[in-house]
Amino acid sequence: AQSVTQLDSHVSVSEGTPVLLRCNYSSSYSPSLFWYVQHPNKGLQLLLKYTSAATLVKGINGFEAEFKKSETSFHLTKPSAHMSDAAEYFCVVSETGTYKYIFGTGTRLKVLA
Amino acid sequence: GAGVSQSPRYKVTKRGQDVTLRCDPISSHATLYWYQQALGQGPEFLTYFNYEAQPDKSGLPSDRFSAERPEGSISTLTIQRTEQRDSAMYRCASSDTSSGANVLTFGAGSRLTVL
Repeated sequence: AQSVTQLDSHVSVSEGTPVLLRCNYSSSYSPSLFWYVQHPNKGLQLLLKYTSAATLVKGINGFEAEFKKSETSFHLTKPSAHMSDAAEYFCVVSETGTYKYIFGTGTRLKVLA
Repeated sequence: GAGVSQSPRYKVTKRGQDVTLRCDPISSHATLYWYQQALGQGPEFLTYFNYEAQPDKSGLPSDRFSAERPEGSISTLTIQRTEQRDSAMYRCASSDTSSGANVLTFGAGSRLTVL
């Protein structure tokens, strides 16, 4: 069975400092992994996806994530936080070729001026 | 359409009333999903359609919930005899699985409040 755990429900960083949002997953087979972002009163937007190609995945707005099979992790990073990055972030796992997408409980990112 | 459109954006209803939510997916997308997102939680799978077929409705919480997609495009989610615990954001997403892209495109959601 698939599952995903987001290790922090809230993260606060200062503007211009690095961002790390942690995600661990469990999957029986070859997983597809995604990060989505949700701004207030907006729909969920895809940041990036991993589907068994390069393990370091680059997404929009300077975000990237690294798939580490040995650690079953898919942490999201950004070198320098911007005020506009304040939002809720969801890690998602799907078994490749299936229709089930399992969402984590979300990490709310706060960016301090 | 260009994106996934959901209506209404906000719905307030009284306990016991029926509610129908609508989703208009991206026109080329064969697969459509419904998710329920409670406050402070991640979206949880309700059901999905592949064109008009509904292969999996295992996430529907009770028989008060039903979904349709009769012509393989627009879908509706109906909640009968609403209860306060049904209050949540209901999210629709569509996907072009034929291209193997495997990416969900979400609408803005319908926020349901049951008084």
